[in-house]
Amino acid sequence: AQKITQTQPGMFVQEKEAVTLDCTYDTSDPSYGLFWYKQPSSGEMIFLIYQGSYDQQNATEGRYSLNFQKARKSANLVISASQLGDSAMYFCAMREGRSGNTPLVFGKGTRLSVIA
Amino acid sequence: DSGVTQTPKHLITATGQRVTLRCSPRSGDLSVYWYQQSLDQGLQFLIQYYNGEERAKGNILERFSAQQFPDLHSELNLSSLELGDSALYFCASSLAQRSPELYGYTFGSGTRLTVV
Repeated sequence: AQKITQTQPGMFVQEKEAVTLDCTYDTSDPSYGLFWYKQPSSGEMIFLIYQGSYDQQNATEGRYSLNFQKARKSANLVISASQLGDSAMYFCAMREGRSGNTPLVFGKGTRLSVIA
Repeated sequence: DSGVTQTPKHLITATGQRVTLRCSPRSGDLSVYWYQQSLDQGLQFLIQYYNGEERAKGNILERFSAQQFPDLHSELNLSSLELGDSALYFCASSLAQRSPELYGYTFGSGTRLTVV
């Protein structure tokens, strides 16, 4: 079974608009961490934002915020005021357990295209 | 520079050959993870080493092997290469005690392997 599901293979958004990228996860471990990474066409993996399972508040990092709905097991990424440079693949990932010493499991990604 | 160094950046080789990919983790990180990303796919976890010992195994083929040396650098060996092994291979490193925002999972820039 897929542990991380990203149901949107591709998304389009107008420049300066907000966009939400969906991510649902599956785990029975009460301790876990959720990550979003950006992969531009150059290929590198860029860490965007992190949410721990025990965090009470949604994580925010500049124009990125994570809409964490624990009961629904969803961790959607919200990008506000989209920019042309936001065009990239976006991956949701999960680490199970308390330790930052276990492998990340990735979803298949969403390709975001920002239109001028 | 993420602090994780992967060499070479590009590699072109013929079917049936053997190659070695190298990864130097971020200073102080004890865990090294290897991932494979085929065209337009998510990252597939291959294997993790922690302080020289194999820690976790993912979807790694028997033709592939890895090791982590006393200086903590790691090598991924791919043998009897097939066309389907063409992919971007990422190395990431982490330190369990690092703060959550950086629960990191710092990625190298990847090695793009092309099998012809």
